[in-house]
Amino acid sequence: GEDVEQSLFLSVREGDSSVINCTYTDSSSTYLYWYKQEPGAGLQLLTYIFSNMDMKQDQRLTVLLNKKDKHLSLRIADTQTGDSAIYFCAEDFGNEKLTFGTGTRLTIIP
Amino acid sequence: DTGVSQNPRHKITKRGQNVTFRCDPISEHNRLYWYRQTLGQGPEFLTYFQNEAQLEKSRLLSDRFSAERPKGSFSTLEIQRTEQGDSAMYLCASSPTDRGVYGYTFGSGTRLTVV
Repeated sequence: GEDVEQSLFLSVREGDSSVINCTYTDSSSTYLYWYKQEPGAGLQLLTYIFSNMDMKQDQRLTVLLNKKDKHLSLRIADTQTGDSAIYFCAEDFGNEKLTFGTGTRLTIIP
Repeated sequence: DTGVSQNPRHKITKRGQNVTFRCDPISEHNRLYWYRQTLGQGPEFLTYFQNEAQLEKSRLLSDRFSAERPKGSFSTLEIQRTEQGDSAMYLCASSPTDRGVYGYTFGSGTRLTVV
């Protein structure tokens, strides 16, 4: 079945890089997404990677995909206080719905 | 277009009452999704529509839940005889049929508290 896992918490000093990890079980996904959720808000799409890519860079964000290990990561360079949020990875298995991970709460230490 | 709009933002209801939530998707999007998010969890799929047709329902959607999208535009999600376990954030999202790089666009959600 489809299962997407993330570590629950990550604390990073302001200005350092944050790396949020995600593992999944089903390798038939077409797109993989990263969403950001701030308190009391809906989910905001940050970036995506197509399943035949290994890396995608978008300003401060870098997505790495290791298909062999079924591992996805999001790196945020120069982490700022405004990056504090919960980050979700999500997989599109082509079966009409997205499957979300449990979310990683990123806390920025001043 | 102001994005995906959900109303109300918050709803407190007594156990056993019925509640209805509304979602207005992005007008060009013909797919509309409902998800439920409980504290500390990621969103869980409930159901989705392609235009006015409801194409898939999760096993999470008991017979107390019903969703409609009568004219392929806005959608409503009704919960009958609410239970405390229904307390959650209910998220609506929309997308084009060929979602591709756009993923979903989410609304801000309706937070339901059943007391």
